[in-house]
Amino acid sequence: NAGVTQTPKFRILKIGQSMTLQCTQDMNHNYMYWYRQDPGMGLKLIYYSVGAGITDKGEVPNGYNVSRSTTEDFPLRLELAAPSQTSVYFCASSYSLSSTYEQYFGPGTRLTVT
Amino acid sequence: AQSVTQLDSHVSVSEGTPVLLRCNYSSSYSPSLFWYVQHPNKGLQLLLKYTSAATLVKGINGFEAEFKKSETSFHLTKPSAHMSDAAEYFCVVSAGITGGFKTIFGAGTRLFVKA
Repeated sequence: NAGVTQTPKFRILKIGQSMTLQCTQDMNHNYMYWYRQDPGMGLKLIYYSVGAGITDKGEVPNGYNVSRSTTEDFPLRLELAAPSQTSVYFCASSYSLSSTYEQYFGPGTRLTVT
Repeated sequence: AQSVTQLDSHVSVSEGTPVLLRCNYSSSYSPSLFWYVQHPNKGLQLLLKYTSAATLVKGINGFEAEFKKSETSFHLTKPSAHMSDAAEYFCVVSAGITGGFKTIFGAGTRLFVKA
């Protein structure tokens, strides 16, 4: 049981390039999330999804896009990368959208934009 | 409105001594509270959670936390630190809001354990 997996682990992008961060979970969770973690800060929610075909914005969605075509996969797209998007990105999933359920996190993708 | 404050950005203890990581929260609704641990270059792992049952919550690796509503606190403790406890710890508050729920992460407390 792999849980939540993310690829790549590390990436360096030039300003203006685009890329997709991949996220897959094998726990059959309907709910999935993308966060970014900046130094000295807690995690900030970028986008989340409550099921295949349904996504919604979180706290910091600008500069990102998501899609959810299957229950397992929730890719995060960066268009026109900017230095402000240098961060560590975490994907997570949960069994329910209820506040009482914990989230399961992937190992993260460390992205540098120069 | 919800917020969470981790009162210490860094805590340093000696191996074998007690650990105390402090967390205060505010929430307009009855919250769920979580502590997650993040080891270097790893994702976050759940340590324990409070969801309106027993106020003293026991988690993995000997950690526990007590929900104190009157003090709006959810401090994390461990009687005896181990070198493997060195990591970053996040306090998280989550509560239902109209149309869904909101989860707020604290800024984190980095725990150093000295031999």
